[in-house]
Amino acid sequence: EAGVVQSPRYKIIEKKQPVAFWCNPISGHNTLYWYRQNLGQGPELLIRYENEEAVDDSQLPKDRFSAERLKGVDSTLKIQPAELGDSAVYLCASSLYQGTVEQFFGPGTRLTVL
Amino acid sequence: RKEVEQDPGPFNVPEGATVAFNCTYSNSASQSFFWYRQDCRKEPKLLMSVYSSGNEDGRFTAQLNRASQYISLLIRDSKLSDSATYLCVVNIDNDMRFGAGTRLTVKP
Repeated sequence: EAGVVQSPRYKIIEKKQPVAFWCNPISGHNTLYWYRQNLGQGPELLIRYENEEAVDDSQLPKDRFSAERLKGVDSTLKIQPAELGDSAVYLCASSLYQGTVEQFFGPGTRLTVL
Repeated sequence: RKEVEQDPGPFNVPEGATVAFNCTYSNSASQSFFWYRQDCRKEPKLLMSVYSSGNEDGRFTAQLNRASQYISLLIRDSKLSDSATYLCVVNIDNDMRFGAGTRLTVKP
């Protein structure tokens, strides 16, 4: 069974440029999460989707970050414009439904903003 | 105060040693608890859930003390392959809150 797929795996951009990350969750998983993980820290939730509805986006910096999950499957996270402090690993995870014990994480996208 | 706090580590132990990690959480409404493992430059993966009565999975034992808002993970007979960062995770209203992790290195 395929796991959570993310692309790209690595991205290097200059500040003020836009960037987008893509996630394909495990087939049949209704809940999708985007996390940001800074070096030496645990993942921090940015947004949680239940099917195509964003049920928790309270931690998403809405001035520059946006996300969508059209048709309740794939999701895209965008940053525009990127800032130096956005350098981090962006992790996508999915679970069967919210409240499920286990979240399955993708390999992440390592973003470097120069 | 952080919602989930862990021993900062790193822990460097010889093979065969027993090592214990501690974690405290601040929100008494937390509903469920987990330990995740994260290898270097890899994604986190569920190691085990933590139940009120305590639970064991092979060499790993997890304990929860709701009154003290404290969670622990004990690893017995450490293996080289146990080297990783161990993340304490607390579920609050379906949001998973991760600790910063404790890094373990098991040496020959």
